[in-house]
Formats: sequence, structure tokens, C-alpha cells
Amino acid sequence: DAGVTQSPTHLIKTRGQQVTLRCSPISGHKSVSWYQQVLGQGPQFIFQYYEKEERGRGNFPDRFSARQFPNYSSELNVNALLLGDSALYLCAARQLMNTEAFFGQGTRLTVV
Amino acid sequence: DQQVKQNSPSLSVQEGRISILNCDYTNSMFDYFLWYKKYPAEGPTFLISISSIKDKNEDGRFTVFLNKSAKHLSLHIVPSQPGDSAVYFCAARASGSARQLTFGSGTQLTVLP
Repeated sequence: DAGVTQSPTHLIKTRGQQVTLRCSPISGHKSVSWYQQVLGQGPQFIFQYYEKEERGRGNFPDRFSARQFPNYSSELNVNALLLGDSALYLCAARQLMNTEAFFGQGTRLTVV
Repeated sequence: DQQVKQNSPSLSVQEGRISILNCDYTNSMFDYFLWYKKYPAEGPTFLISISSIKDKNEDGRFTVFLNKSAKHLSLHIVPSQPGDSAVYFCAARASGSARQLTFGSGTQLTVLP
């Protein structure tokens, strides 16, 4: 089984631009969560999706949005990028009844 | 408001000795706790977990202890190996939540040969 895959691995964007990050979960893992990890801190919860529905949202502004597709892959969108959005964005997948989350390698976003 | 705290940003241990990583939490609704290991340029990797109904869980060289009254958990690694050098994150999940994890800020463990 392939692990959780995220694309792209690295990205540089200019302040004010928009970005879309992608995540493909492990086969059979229907729940996808997104986390933001800034340098020196632990990952912070952004969104959780299951069966294409948002099941949880962290304390992030409306510039952040996400969706999940029928094949359980997911996209995270961030509009009007700020310098402070520079971070490692992690996608985590789990089977619904398990609490163990499997993480992808992350997308390193740099906003300049 | 940090609900999960790892107060030691770094820890150095000699190979073969015990590594003890600590984590404190404040939210009484947390009912499940996990430890993740993270190497540079990789995502966090699940290591071991413990439910709030237990006080100990063991998996090979890794043991997690939970003290609910003190709202404290610890990860013991015995014996420590150079390959264990990584950042270790403590995470917790609240009952009734959307299974979101709340992470601590991590502890960089360095195992010296």
C-alpha cells in the first residue's frame, strides 16, 4: 500500500497569491485532515473531511478552505497568502474508527 | 493557550541508555494520547498510543506512561539508539471531537554514539 502522498513537496508563492495543495490518502482511509506546522511548533489542526463533508475546523481564517473528492483525495486552498502562511502543510489520513493518523511528507510553502 | 506542552525542546542521551520524553496537558476532555516521531523532510510517523483508561502501554523498546491525575504522560525509550534521533511530538485527542489531534511543540532527541 502506498502511504499518504502530498503534492507538491515544495512551493514558493508571492504574498497575495492563491495556492492549492493536494493529498491522496492511503487506500481505504476515508478521513483526511490538514495540519499547519510552522517552524519550532507542533502541527496545528486546520480541517477534517470525511465522505466529502467537513467534520471539523480549527482556528484558521476563511482564507483557508478545503474539499474532499469521491476517491477520498483532498485539496487545501489558501487565498490572499500572507508571509505568516509560510509553513509545512501536512495531510493525515485515517480509517474512521481508528485514532491513529498516518501523515504524508508534507508540502513546504514559502510565501515571499 | 497551549493545551499540550512539551517543556523540553531538546534532550541528549548516550546510546544504550534510557530516553525519557515528557508531556503535560491541561484539557480534561482528552481521552487518547499519541507519540509521533519526525525526521527532517518527512511527515510525522506514528510511534505508540495510550487510551485514558490505561496507565501504561508497551511496544518493544517504547513504553508510554499516563498519569491522569497529574495530566502527564511520558515516553520511555530503552535502550536508545542513534537512529532514534528525531523530533518527538506528543499529541492528544478529545472525546467527542472530530478526531483532531492537538500537538505539543516537540522535543528534539539526540542519541549520542
